[in-house]
Amino acid sequence: GAVVSQHPSWVICKSGTSVKIECRSLDFQATTMFWYRQFPKQSLMLMATSNEGSKATYEQGVEKDKFLINHASLTLSTLTVTSAHPEDSSFYICSASLPGGNEETQYFGPGTRLLVL
Amino acid sequence: QQQVKQSPQSLIVQKGGISIINCAYENTAFDYFPWYQQFPGKGPALLIAIRPDVSEKKEGRFTISFNKSAKQFSLHIMDSQPGDSATYFCAASMASGTYKYIFGTGTRLKVLA
Repeated sequence: GAVVSQHPSWVICKSGTSVKIECRSLDFQATTMFWYRQFPKQSLMLMATSNEGSKATYEQGVEKDKFLINHASLTLSTLTVTSAHPEDSSFYICSASLPGGNEETQYFGPGTRLLVL
Repeated sequence: QQQVKQSPQSLIVQKGGISIINCAYENTAFDYFPWYQQFPGKGPALLIAIRPDVSEKKEGRFTISFNKSAKQFSLHIMDSQPGDSATYFCAASMASGTYKYIFGTGTRLKVLA
């Protein structure tokens, strides 16, 4: 149980285009999802906390208009990187917390590698 | 005060040995401390977690030791295997609020066959 998927796993795009990454909780309903960014050989940096039906809460220094997050349902959150540039190239990982039990535990998706040319 | 300091940055252990990774925190409001294992190109996977009311928790070959007064916790991997070679992250979160994690900087473990 507690499986989180991400799509796509790999994406290459041209500079200036927008890219959407989906995060789904497959076997549970997640009221809260988190989006992280990870550079090579570095730790995970929290970008934003996403709650179903409400606006995402962004961490300090993360551009809200650059990284659009939509948590439209209890099983789906999306991250859209708008007008992507090479510096946005990174590994993006989502996680979801399991409600009704140990809500502190986050289950992570497999990640999406974004390369902006 | 929101930092979680993790050491060592990298670790090489012989097969069958014990791998020890340490983390320290400052914020006493943290009350949940998970450890995650991450293989290259994959998302982190939960290994084991502990709360401050427990000094030790064991699951298989993985043990967390927790020292509340010192604000430190550590992961011990017993009988380390080459398949344990991965990056390990400690984290801390608070029950109040959104349960967001503060991650340590990570430890790259290599277990030699």
